[in-house]
Amino acid sequence: KQEVTQIPAALSVPEGENLVLNCSFTDSAIYNLQWFRQDPGKGLTSLLLIQSSQREQTSGRLNASLDKSSGRSTLYIAASQPGDSATYLCAVPDFTGTASKLTFGTGTRLQVTL
Amino acid sequence: KAGVTQTPRYLIKTRGQQVTLSCSPISGHRSVSWYQQTPGQGLQFLFEYFSETQRNKGNFPGRFSGRQFSNSRSEMNVSTLELGDSALYLCASSLAKGIETQYFGPGTRLLVL
Repeated sequence: KQEVTQIPAALSVPEGENLVLNCSFTDSAIYNLQWFRQDPGKGLTSLLLIQSSQREQTSGRLNASLDKSSGRSTLYIAASQPGDSATYLCAVPDFTGTASKLTFGTGTRLQVTL
Repeated sequence: KAGVTQTPRYLIKTRGQQVTLSCSPISGHRSVSWYQQTPGQGLQFLFEYFSETQRNKGNFPGRFSGRQFSNSRSEMNVSTLELGDSALYLCASSLAKGIETQYFGPGTRLLVL
């Protein structure tokens, strides 16, 4: 059974700082890994999807890396801004060939202060 | 292109009642999944539908059911509501296999009194 863990659970940083969020998964046989952002009481916004064959994926100030062999992914946020404050979730699909579901990490709550 | 929409956005029900939530996927997306999010359990998978067929089901009691229509819109139903069913219910859509990028709706916040 796939288990996904995110460390730290919460993080507070001053504006402008670069930061790294961590995601670990127990089963390295994954198709991809997706990072999401969730604002309080809202739905999930897809940030990046990194395929199992990729090592990195970038979008603006965000960079996600994937190391399947070690069961780890990191989300790097450059020059953080107060608007980046949210909960960040990583998820991996459990795909059997006919059915799929996402297994989510526990999330990292990020606060960027002025 | 319009995103995933969910209705209603908020619901208040009492124990024992039933509720139906609706989800309209992104145009062209045929896979629809449902998740329950609570502070204690996080995001938990309910079920996934593709071409009107349930492809996968999570570990929830039979009170939770769903269906998908020919236009890919999906509904989920919870019967005999319990206090513990209070949660944010999220719907996600993807193109076909479910392993592509998942796009989530804003969710339906259900409060059971």
